[in-house]
Amino acid sequence: AQKITQTQPGMFVQEKEAVTLDCTYDTSDQSYGLFWYKQPSSGEMIFLIYQGSYDEQNATEGRYSLNFQKARKSANLVISASQLGDSAMYFCAMREATPGRRALTFGSGTRLQVQP
Amino acid sequence: DAGVIQSPRHEVTEMGQEVTLRCKPISGHDYLFWYRQTMMRGLELLIYFNNNVPIDDSGMPEDRFSAKMPNASFSTLKIQPSEPRDSAVYFCASSAQGQPQHFGDGTRLSIL
Repeated sequence: AQKITQTQPGMFVQEKEAVTLDCTYDTSDQSYGLFWYKQPSSGEMIFLIYQGSYDEQNATEGRYSLNFQKARKSANLVISASQLGDSAMYFCAMREATPGRRALTFGSGTRLQVQP
Repeated sequence: DAGVIQSPRHEVTEMGQEVTLRCKPISGHDYLFWYRQTMMRGLELLIYFNNNVPIDDSGMPEDRFSAKMPNASFSTLKIQPSEPRDSAVYFCASSAQGQPQHFGDGTRLSIL
């Protein structure tokens, strides 16, 4: 079974509008971390935001926020006031706390295109 | 501060040749990860090290792949002999305990 599911292969958004990228996850661990990374067309992986499973507040980093709904096992990324430079692939990832499983498991990604 | 440094950025070689990818993690990070990205399989872990010791190599495809971390500031991923299906982007990432992973720019490998 997939541990990270991103159901939106592609999304369009108008410049200056907000957009939500969906991510659901599956784990039996009580302690885990959820991450979002951005991959522009140039190929590098850029860390955006992190949410710990025990964090009571939703994480925010500038225009990025993470809508964490633990009971639903979802960790959606919200980008406010989209900019043309936000056009990229976005990956949701999870790190479990089990010893020996410190690596990230990635979803299949969502390609976001911001239109002027 | 310097990020994760990978070399080469691009590598094109013929099937059967040995390929060595290199990575310098961020200073002070005690975890180092090697990932591979392909269209078919997405991003997947190959191996990771903690304090230079390999912890999980379950993602290494087969014996043709090997990885070493001789010290805290250097790691290599070697493919010998290389095959066309090894063509992919290979990422190295590093992190401190409990912190997000930071990725290098990747090595785009093409095996002809």
